[in-house]
Amino acid sequence: ETGVTQTPRHLVMGMTNKKSLKCEQHLGHNAMYWYKQSAKKPLELMFVYSLEERVENNSVPSRFSPECPNSSHLFLHLHTLQPEDSALYLCASSTDRTGWGEKLFFGSGTQLSVL
Amino acid sequence: DAKTTQPNSMESNEEEPVHLPCNHSTISGTDYIHWYRQLPSQGPEYVIHGLTSNVNNRMASLAIAEDRKSSTLILHRATLRDAAVYYCILRGSNYQLIWGAGTKLIIKP
Repeated sequence: ETGVTQTPRHLVMGMTNKKSLKCEQHLGHNAMYWYKQSAKKPLELMFVYSLEERVENNSVPSRFSPECPNSSHLFLHLHTLQPEDSALYLCASSTDRTGWGEKLFFGSGTQLSVL
Repeated sequence: DAKTTQPNSMESNEEEPVHLPCNHSTISGTDYIHWYRQLPSQGPEYVIHGLTSNVNNRMASLAIAEDRKSSTLILHRATLRDAAVYYCILRGSNYQLIWGAGTKLIIKP
């Protein structure tokens, strides 16, 4: 148990669906992250929030829309996805985004399949 | 951003020490060396990190070369639960972690 909980664990959606991924952290951290892990590819940083303000968007397509209503919750809203968006989506948190020695705490991820 | 190079996979016997190497020849003076591991069906898990000196914690030890161009993660007594993909990552001033493919560690009973 890392203190970071992601729901759902698995999600299958069609290309015209709209769905949301949820992440909740119980660690009192100020920074939260969305990562994408595709098969046979390294983890890719998608979004970073620090104190509920988005500070990084690594050129992610607009069909992915993050939301951070407070420092404990993070959402990733999905719409009109493509099959190549199928991947494991990981949420992480850290005390702060700026520390070079910062540890990231990850959730178990949502395995997304787009049909 | 500085990159790391790791073997694709390694095998070890249960209850023996494991030495996982990582090369980072372009490391800058302020980059921290981080290690994470990812067990099957889970998110990555922090293992250890260091800057210049060797580091120990309850999970592992990190040995850093004097020139900092390489490091070794040491699991003192591997168990089947240590089977995972181990990532060696540099964290620099832009706070991002640049993830590679990691080393898949196979533990033989």
